Amino acid sequence: DAGVIQSPRHEVTEMGQEVTLRCKPISGHDYLFWYRQTMMRGLELLIYFNNNVPIDDSGMPEDRFSAKMPNASFSTLKIQPSEPRDSAVYFCASRAGGGMNTEAFFGQGTRLTVV
Amino acid sequence: AQRVTQPEKLLSVFKGAPVELKCNYSYSGSPELFWYVQYSRQRLQLLLRHISRESIKGFTADLNKGETSFHLKKPFAQEEDSAMYYCALSGRAGGTSYGKLTFGQGTILTVHP
Repeated sequence: DAGVIQSPRHEVTEMGQEVTLRCKPISGHDYLFWYRQTMMRGLELLIYFNNNVPIDDSGMPEDRFSAKMPNASFSTLKIQPSEPRDSAVYFCASRAGGGMNTEAFFGQGTRLTVV
Repeated sequence: AQRVTQPEKLLSVFKGAPVELKCNYSYSGSPELFWYVQYSRQRLQLLLRHISRESIKGFTADLNKGETSFHLKKPFAQEEDSAMYYCALSGRAGGTSYGKLTFGQGTILTVHP
């Protein structure tokens, strides 16, 4: 398995544009997480899914953010419209099982710059 | 609600010195705790987990439920330990927020030669 795959690796967009980030979790993992990394706030949990169902989206900053998981092998995080303060690195992670100390595996992240 | 706090954003030590990265948590239940590390240009990866009571790369961490802490320690720091370190908490089965994995703000450790 190639691990968690995110695309694109880098995204530069203009304020007001729609941005879609993509994630392919590790096959067989039933939990998927979206995080945002900034110097100020560290690694913030935005939303997580269990068996493709969103469980907790309380970390999604605004209605401009939305996430979907149409099947077990694909998830998207969309920002519409994007703003400069959304600039950050966005990580996707997947995990087999919610507990029992299972390890979460991370993608390489998408560095988003909104100008 | 579950929360993880790492009070130090930056920590600098010299090679061979002891290092301690602090982590405090808040959780209404018995948590699962982890330390993750991100080396330069690499993915975030698991360093250790409290249930295993293991020592990885010379690092150890002890869960102190009384102080709600899970500090990461190493007696003799090495230059290759320079990285970003994150403390993380996961809700346990039967509790609220089962499966939710929450991270602290992270601590950048720099080990000088």
